[in-house]
Amino acid sequence: GAVVSQHPSWVICKSGTSVKIECRSLDFQATTMFWYRQFPKQSLMLMATSNEGSKATYEQGVEKDKFLINHASLTLSTLTVTSAHPEDSSFYICSARDGEGNNQPQHFGDGTRLSIL
Amino acid sequence: SQQGEEDPQALSIQEGENATMNCSYKTSINNLQWYRQNSGRGLVHLILIRSNEREKHSGRLRVTLDTSKKSSSLLITASRAADTASYFCTTDSWGKFQFGAGTQVVVTP
Repeated sequence: GAVVSQHPSWVICKSGTSVKIECRSLDFQATTMFWYRQFPKQSLMLMATSNEGSKATYEQGVEKDKFLINHASLTLSTLTVTSAHPEDSSFYICSARDGEGNNQPQHFGDGTRLSIL
Repeated sequence: SQQGEEDPQALSIQEGENATMNCSYKTSINNLQWYRQNSGRGLVHLILIRSNEREKHSGRLRVTLDTSKKSSSLLITASRAADTASYFCTTDSWGKFQFGAGTQVVVTP
């Protein structure tokens, strides 16, 4: 089945550091990937839609300069949390769809737990 | 506002019992999908049901969709301890996904 790999699994770093999270589709090509944020015991909040070869589409309220998204190839999207602060601590999850048509499920990575001290 | 709303928020049952959870949504959809999330992990896709389908089965899972009521249900039959997880529905409105708050299911041996 379609596999999405997310790296790293967890990160602990100091305030002010920039952190890069990678999302890879291992056995399929994904022109579209999605980045979500999840707080404890809450649902997933869509942050942005990452489009290969073009700019990401951000959801309302998500700072573009804070959360930089790059989708340079059909199998890799990256999310960089710039100058991270404790309030950026969260669980970040990416997903990708195998195929462009409607009615395609999302395949999720295992998430990245980010803790900013 | 949130699109998918799951009910109940939490469910505790014993092994062998059935678990039923519901999802309501507000706008027109292309399809509705159910996912499972184990604690601290990513989501695993369970079932996708299209807007023109009313019922779908996959192993011990049964999903119904009522577009007139804008609601869906997920039934897990003969539950096992390994079914302990959070279950989310998400609506796909032509590429726009919105997740509900989820139902936390605990299955005790």
